[in-house]
Amino acid sequence: AQTVTQSQPEMSVQEAETVTLSCTYDTSENNYYLFWYKQPPSRQMILVIRQEAYKQQNATENRFSVNFQKAAKSFSLKISDSQLGDTAMYFCAFMAVNTGNQFYFGTGTSLTVIP
Amino acid sequence: DVKVTQSSRYLVKRTGEKVFLECVQDMDHENMFWYRQDPGLGLRLIYFSYDVKMKEKGDIPEGYSVSREKKERFSLILESASTNQTSMYLCASSLGTPVYTQYFGPGTRLTVL
Repeated sequence: AQTVTQSQPEMSVQEAETVTLSCTYDTSENNYYLFWYKQPPSRQMILVIRQEAYKQQNATENRFSVNFQKAAKSFSLKISDSQLGDTAMYFCAFMAVNTGNQFYFGTGTSLTVIP
Repeated sequence: DVKVTQSSRYLVKRTGEKVFLECVQDMDHENMFWYRQDPGLGLRLIYFSYDVKMKEKGDIPEGYSVSREKKERFSLILESASTNQTSMYLCASSLGTPVYTQYFGPGTRLTVL
């Protein structure tokens, strides 16, 4: 079974600062994908960034980047130049290709950006 | 843009009632999923479907059933609602290979009294 662990239930960051959200996972699979999703208060869950395990280069999307450490099974999300709109729950998710598209989610990190 | 819609944002039902939650996606996605979201527990998969009339149990299927009669529509059914099914229910869809990203609906907050 796959497990995803987010050890930081809550975090806060000053506007314009940088914050890193942690995620670790446990799997024996070799072909998998990792995702970060954002769920703003009372709003829809949206994809922030995704990483293919076979790619060594860390994914980036504007102010969002990941630090993917395959051997350590670690997948952290870095948010640069934090904005008030980044306030949200962030979920890390894992999907192994041969398990039929099933996602495994962490318990989430609630991020608050402080003006 | 992918659009996933859910029939209700908020729903209040009584114990023992039969409850239908409906999800519709407009991108011809093969895969559809139902999750429940509870504080401190993250998202837990209830059921998913690879194709019309096909369904697979997720991690917490007890007390739920699903129906997928058309590709774009995936329904979650609570045969006899109980108070411990009070939760946020999220529907998602994905194309599958090679784009595995799941796209989520806005969620239905169900309260069972």
